[in-house]
Parts: sequence; C-alpha cells; structure tokens
Amino acid sequence: AAGVIQSPRHLIKEKRETATLKCYPIPRHDTVYWYQQGPGQDPQFLISFYEKMQSDKGSIPDRFSAQQFSDYHSELNMSSLELGDSALYFCASSPSGQGCSGELFFGEGSRLTVL
Amino acid sequence: QKEVEQDPGPLSVPEGAIVSLNCTYSNSAFQYFMWYRQYSRKGPELLMYTYSSGNKEDGRFTAQVDKSSKYISLFIRDSQPSDSATYLCAMSADLETSYDKVIFGPGTSLSVIP
Repeated sequence: AAGVIQSPRHLIKEKRETATLKCYPIPRHDTVYWYQQGPGQDPQFLISFYEKMQSDKGSIPDRFSAQQFSDYHSELNMSSLELGDSALYFCASSPSGQGCSGELFFGEGSRLTVL
Repeated sequence: QKEVEQDPGPLSVPEGAIVSLNCTYSNSAFQYFMWYRQYSRKGPELLMYTYSSGNKEDGRFTAQVDKSSKYISLFIRDSQPSDSATYLCAMSADLETSYDKVIFGPGTSLSVIP
C-alpha cells in the first residue's frame, strides 16, 4: 500500500541557509500535518493543511512557512536555519475528517542537520 | 506541566512478559486516544485508537481509557523482541468546528529481551 513519502530523507545545511522539505500524502488523503521531533523528544506539531488551506498552527517559528499544493503535496520551507532546527521532520496525512480523531499516517521523516 | 505525561523509561522486559505502558493527561477535552509505535529512525505508526472511555483489544494489544482519572494504558501480552520500540501515547480533542492538532506524549522506550 502507498505510504506518505517525504524527501529528502537526509539534509545537511549550514547556519543561516534555507531548506525545503517535501511531503507527498497517501492518495486521497487531503489533510497534511508537519511535526518536528528533536533527539529524544516527542513529535511537536508545527502546522497542518486541509484542502490546501492552513487548518491549524502549532509551535512553528516565523522563519518557517509551509503550503499545500493542488495535488495535495506539501512543502515546509525553513529559512535562516539555526543549530536548534536540527531534528527529524515528520509529515503525516489523514483522510478527510479523520485528522481530528488522530488517525495520522506518518512518513519516514526528513532528518535535517544544521552545522 | 505538559498536557500529556508519560514515563520515558527505558523499560526492559523478558520475552513473553506482559508490558504495561501508561499516560496521564490534564486536558479534559481530549476525546480521542491513540498509541503510536516508533522504531528507531522511523516515523510513528498508529497501533491502537480509541474514542472516549473503555477498552479496545487487537491481538496482543489492549488499550484502556479512564477519562475520570485522565489515564490511559496500553497492555502488550506475550511481548516479543520485535515489540522493542518507543511507544507514544497521543490524544486530541473532539472539536467539530476545527481540525485540532494531535498532542503526543514523550514516549516510553521498550526493550524486550529474548
């Protein structure tokens, strides 16, 4: 079965650089969530989209932005990267109406390392 | 105080043991309760999902929710080495007018020793 696809899987950037992470949800899932997971930490909710509109916002820094496109894939853009941005970034998707119930399907994650 | 509390472990048990994992929470609005399993360097995988109070069984796994005590549990019977992972409890509120975010606990690291 198709799963949530994230790219790139690994990314190394320098401080103050910009990074873009991509997420391709499971087909027919129209809701996408982004989570950040630091080492030994639980996933922290960043932002979510439903039908290409932002539906909820969590602890996402102002340096980060995200959007969902017409094909439902989503991109997380991170600028002025800081050392503390080094983390695993997970994307999750859910079918319409199920997201609020917690049935999220996660991708493998994109590991960002900021040097 | 975090909204969801969970003993981070690590928890180490012999193969075949019964494992009990627990979370407490403070937000009485939570209605949906989930358990996710996360293997090292992988994304969380939904394991169990329950709505409101009660028990739910799926194979070797049983999830319990006690809303009066704001306490949820996951029991793993006949634990296997392949169960070794981090187990994250998660919950969300039942808000009809918005898609609320899912709040995760910090996770409990479990090792099942052959």
